[in-house]
Amino acid sequence: DTAVSQTPKYLVTQMGNDKSIKCEQNLGHDTMYWYKQDSKKFLKIMFSYNNKELIINETVPNRFSPKSPDKAHLNLHINSLELGDSAVYFCASSLRTGRRTEAFFGQGTRLTVV
Amino acid sequence: AQSVTQLGSHVSVSEGALVLLRCNYSSSVPPYLFWYVQYPNQGLQLLLKYTSAATLVKGINGFEAEFKKSETSFHLTKPSAHMSDAAEYFCAVSANTDKLIFGTGTRLQVFP
Repeated sequence: DTAVSQTPKYLVTQMGNDKSIKCEQNLGHDTMYWYKQDSKKFLKIMFSYNNKELIINETVPNRFSPKSPDKAHLNLHINSLELGDSAVYFCASSLRTGRRTEAFFGQGTRLTVV
Repeated sequence: AQSVTQLGSHVSVSEGALVLLRCNYSSSVPPYLFWYVQYPNQGLQLLLKYTSAATLVKGINGFEAEFKKSETSFHLTKPSAHMSDAAEYFCAVSANTDKLIFGTGTRLQVFP
């Protein structure tokens, strides 16, 4: 059973479109995250949720809107896609908030905006 | 503020040779440190973590790392490289606000 699963794995879309990426974890964790990995492999956090509540919101454009319907799911909706949004987006989860708690990552969604 | 520096974006070793991947951190509070591995087209997998217990931390796949406060380092080592170790390795520090701050990664190549 996949612990943190994301869909789709690949997403190719045109500029200006709106798209969503879904994430589900079956680990019973309370905290979920979205990270972005750019073309140089640099990873940066975008959002984190704890028990459906937004905890971290880095300086991400308003076009990105996370939604957590329950603590096992954290989806990412992106409006008006731009070329610069092309990246790999990783969902992750951790047992709880806290600095010593490691994160478990999904396989990633490779988004290509053309 | 916290940050991580990984020295060497590429490291190449022969199969059977020692692997040494360098990570230095900066942290205003006692750090929690992690090493993750990313195989091609896959997500990140935790190799090991330091959370203020033993300074020598053993992880999966024969990897270990030593926390050295005096050198602000958390280098990753493996005595004998295997072809399957070829991947991207990320060092990360856990910040005050519970997020992971990653280094820029080191690509490990293993030659037969």
